[in-house]
Amino acid sequence: EVQLVESGGGPVQPGGSLTLSCAASGFTFSSYWMHWVRQAPGKGLVWVSHINSDGSTSSYAASVKGRFTISRDNARNTLYLEMSSLRAEDTAVYYCARENWETGASDPWGQGTLVTVSS
Amino acid sequence: QPVLTQSSSASASLGSSVKLTCTLSNGHSSYIIAWHQQQPGMAPRYLMKVEGSGSYNKGSGVPDRFSGSSSGADRYLTISNLQFEDEADYYCETWDSNTRVFGGGTKLTVL
Repeated sequence: EVQLVESGGGPVQPGGSLTLSCAASGFTFSSYWMHWVRQAPGKGLVWVSHINSDGSTSSYAASVKGRFTISRDNARNTLYLEMSSLRAEDTAVYYCARENWETGASDPWGQGTLVTVSS
Repeated sequence: QPVLTQSSSASASLGSSVKLTCTLSNGHSSYIIAWHQQQPGMAPRYLMKVEGSGSYNKGSGVPDRFSGSSSGADRYLTISNLQFEDEADYYCETWDSNTRVFGGGTKLTVL
């Protein structure tokens, strides 16, 4: 069964840092592009970042560029999102998702991990 | 980059059908989109991709009641024989080489 499990969320003060992890199983992780998508409380889905299959290329939404870094460890089947200079508006549930190379869509999604930025 | 527009809400009666719309911005009418369902308190779930031709490709386990179609810049998700478990938020998604975009979502209420 294809599975993505996020961890690392929690409360953090404004200006602080946090690293999220996404453990993948049930598929050949090193063959797939991966994405982070976030959802602020009561709001819609917003794409954050993606990384290609070998980790050599990444892209970011303008709102997080320069503050967030996406990476992956294909030996450990794990995706990461390092977040720094966190702001209240970064408060959200963060989902990792696999890019389905047959459809191009985000599929499947992890269960999400909540990041709360507050003093 | 493309922009996706969705109505914020929709409602329909149990057992009836509903058609949700996702509209691509000018210059992006040929883009493929994907539909995702997010039930309350849950993570999103991929439903299907819909191409500009109108062809669609459903994900594993998606009931036959769900179908897709297309007209111009509009991409549709039709749900037939509505069930209470279909009450959810529905998001469309599209992508290009360096970004991924989601619509604002449609909250579907089953009456």
